[in-house]
Amino acid sequence: AQKITQTQPGMFVQEKEAVTLDCTYDTSDPSYGLFWYKQPSSGEMIFLIYQGSYDQQNATEGRYSLNFQKARKSANLVISASQLGDSAMYFCAMREDLGSGGGADGLTFGKGTHLIIQP
Amino acid sequence: ETGVTQTPRHLVMGMTNKKSLKCEQHLGHNAMYWYKQSAKKPLELMFVYNFKEQTENNSVPSRFSPECPNSSHLFLHLHTLQPEDSALYLCASSQDVGQGAIGGNTIYFGEGSWLTVV
Repeated sequence: AQKITQTQPGMFVQEKEAVTLDCTYDTSDPSYGLFWYKQPSSGEMIFLIYQGSYDQQNATEGRYSLNFQKARKSANLVISASQLGDSAMYFCAMREDLGSGGGADGLTFGKGTHLIIQP
Repeated sequence: ETGVTQTPRHLVMGMTNKKSLKCEQHLGHNAMYWYKQSAKKPLELMFVYNFKEQTENNSVPSRFSPECPNSSHLFLHLHTLQPEDSALYLCASSQDVGQGAIGGNTIYFGEGSWLTVV
């Protein structure tokens, strides 16, 4: 079963409008982190925002905010006042807690949403 | 400018060639990763190194051989690749402090190396 689901393969949005990119996740681990990344056509994966499973408040970073609904296992990214430079692929990702053994683990990514901002 | 640098940015190689991808992180992190991104597929985690020790190998074919000489450098050695190995290879790093510290474990990526196997 997919751990990260992004149901919007592509979106067209008018410049200056707000955008919501959907992400649902699946985990039985009580401790986890949710991340959003932006990938322009150049290929670099740019970190945008992080939400921890125990965080009481929704994360915000400038024009980015994360609408975290734990009971629904939903972590939607909201971009306010979209700009032409926001056109890119957007990926939702999750890291589950590493357990008592510690050590490093990787991110599990969704398939992404291709966002196009139109003037 | 990203704190994770990858070279080369673009590589074209034949199926009988041997080449290497290089990654260097300037963030003081202790964990490094290789990811593969193929067209229309989610990013796939290939290898994880923590304090220079390989902790994860996600069933990657042996024609991909990672090397981590220290916490700042990571290589991916390539030999006898197939055309289906053509993809964007992304290196990443994080400062991992173990259990219960997911918040401090944001993974930062490089710009990627575009690989074409002909």
